[in-house]
Amino acid sequence: EAQVTQNPRYLITVTGKKLTVTCSQNMNHEYMSWYRQDPGLGLRQIYYSMNVEVTDKGDVPEGYKVSRKEKRNFPLILESPSPNQTSLYFCASSFRHYTEAFFGQGTRLTVV
Amino acid sequence: KQEVTQIPAALSVPEGENLVLNCSFTDSAIYNLQWFRQDPGKGLTSLLLIQSSQREQTSGRLNASLDKSSGRSTLYIAASQPGDSATYLCAVIAWTGNQFYFGTGTSLTVIP
Repeated sequence: EAQVTQNPRYLITVTGKKLTVTCSQNMNHEYMSWYRQDPGLGLRQIYYSMNVEVTDKGDVPEGYKVSRKEKRNFPLILESPSPNQTSLYFCASSFRHYTEAFFGQGTRLTVV
Repeated sequence: KQEVTQIPAALSVPEGENLVLNCSFTDSAIYNLQWFRQDPGKGLTSLLLIQSSQREQTSGRLNASLDKSSGRSTLYIAASQPGDSATYLCAVIAWTGNQFYFGTGTSLTVIP
């Protein structure tokens, strides 16, 4: 089944403890991206990747890192999480940046 | 910077009614516009994608139009059903930067 898989679905962590949210797609898509969704602010793009080894900042990249070493995986790294990074995170992929986007189920992160 | 607005923020209609959701964007330099559906606790599902050169797209009871020059798109839902209850989001992808910009969504409730 074609899908975008994020893990974990729920995560509670403490301030400053490094964490990684994984994202994997099985559709051979070139474009992958990360978003955070906050009440009243909607979805905002954090980082995106046009292809392997190519990543760019979105609207809200501060406090996040990404890597794209393989086409199928695009992990989101929070080196030192802070409470203002508490949010619902989504990973998405598409064949090209201008084609239909497929979203993962989301990761609800709470930083205390 | 691209700004995407959706009005109304919430809408409640009786079953069977036809309805229109609105999306506006400030910069017409876009590749395409996509409409998504988001159910509570779940990811986004792509409904329709309209390329910048197209005027409309149809899928079943859904019809989306795009007027790039005026920065507007509408999603028309015919003969609404309770299963249509969800949040509907529109997103554009900009020519410059290849970034996605989302609206804050319209929460639709269809009353049986």
